[in-house]
Amino acid sequence: AQSVAQPEDQVNVAEGNPLTVKCTYSVSGNPYLFWYVQYPNRGLQFLLKYITGDNLVKGSYGFEAEFNKSQTSFHLKKPSALVSDSALYFCAVRALYSSASKIIFGSGTRLSIRP
Amino acid sequence: DGGITQSPKYLFRKEGQNVTLSCEQNLNHDAMYWYRQDPGQGLRLIYYSQIVNDFQKGDIAEGYSVSREKKESFPLTVTSAQKNPTAFYLCASSPPGIASYNEQFFGPGTRLTVL
Repeated sequence: AQSVAQPEDQVNVAEGNPLTVKCTYSVSGNPYLFWYVQYPNRGLQFLLKYITGDNLVKGSYGFEAEFNKSQTSFHLKKPSALVSDSALYFCAVRALYSSASKIIFGSGTRLSIRP
Repeated sequence: DGGITQSPKYLFRKEGQNVTLSCEQNLNHDAMYWYRQDPGQGLRLIYYSQIVNDFQKGDIAEGYSVSREKKESFPLTVTSAQKNPTAFYLCASSPPGIASYNEQFFGPGTRLTVL
């Protein structure tokens, strides 16, 4: 069965410092992995995805994520945090050749950047 | 929120009432989805549709109904059988085909509150 875990409910970082939001997954076969961001009372916005190839994926707003197959992880990173990065972040996974419905979202991590 | 509109933004329902949430997209996407978001639980799939006049139950379909008469529209009805409908409802769509690597595009959401 597919699953995705975001082990931290909240991450607090000072502005200008690097940030990491953790995600681990479980899926049969090769995964497709996604990160989304949600601002208060808004829908989710797509940040980046891993399909195949280079393990380091670059996305919107300076975010990047590293796919690590051996650790089944897809952590979201940014070298220098901004206050405007404060939001709720969701990791999602879908197995190769799975149906369109079989995307599983994590429970979300709230990122708080202090000035 | 990229071409997907949801209305109303806020909706209040009395006990025993059916209410319908609207979702419209102008992205020419085949697949559309309805999710329910509760605090700390991530997104849970209610219904999805891969093509006009066809839809499938998701993980928590009980107490909900949908229709897909037009490609652009995928309304969700929350019936009186749904015992705990207070939540944030998100509609999404994804590009033509059901390729597993396609990301989803989300609407701004409807917050439903039962009085």
